[in-house]
Amino acid sequence: EVQLLESGGGLVRPGGSLRLSCAASGFSFSNYAMSWVRQAPGKGLEWVSGISGNGDKTYYAASLKGRVTITRDPSKNTVTLQMNSLSADDTAMYYCVRDRYGAFPEYLQHWGQGTQVTVSS
Amino acid sequence: SSELTQEPAVSVALGQTVRITCQGDSLRNFYATWYQQKPGQTPEVVIYGNNNRPSGIPDRISGSSSGDTSSLTITGAQAEDEADYYCACRDSVGNQVVFGGGTKLTVL
Repeated sequence: EVQLLESGGGLVRPGGSLRLSCAASGFSFSNYAMSWVRQAPGKGLEWVSGISGNGDKTYYAASLKGRVTITRDPSKNTVTLQMNSLSADDTAMYYCVRDRYGAFPEYLQHWGQGTQVTVSS
Repeated sequence: SSELTQEPAVSVALGQTVRITCQGDSLRNFYATWYQQKPGQTPEVVIYGNNNRPSGIPDRISGSSSGDTSSLTITGAQAEDEADYYCACRDSVGNQVVFGGGTKLTVL
């Protein structure tokens, strides 16, 4: 069974940084692209970033590029999202998502339960 | 352009047919993936590629595409189809994923 467990969310001050982690299990980790998708309270889905299965390609939403970095560690089966210069607009539930494919994250198949990020002073 | 435009809300009578559309330039080059999200749940793929349904998705849900518009059609809507529906696609350049704003479907 595919399991994705996010951690690292919490309350952070404007301008601060946060590192989200996703522990994956139940599948061959390096075979699948992974993404982070966020959803602000009462709002729609917003794709944040993705990384190919072997980690050689990373992808970022244009609106966030430069403030976020996605990495993956096949030795620990983890995906990490580093977020910098946070503002209130970054307040959202952040979901770790496993793709159906290995290259580009175009079929967001398995979703974790999310970790809440709140940016407030 | 990297935007995908959906109707904010659509309603359908029980048992009737409803179409939800998604419009954007990138749809001329890439297929949309459609996600269904029910309250308190994470999204689930209902349509991907050229009108493909994952296992477990009822065949009353179908997809189509023409030009810059992708459509999700529910034929004989059921109460359990009431949900938010999102389309998503690669952007025109192909290096990021863009979601539509979502359509809230109400089954009357």
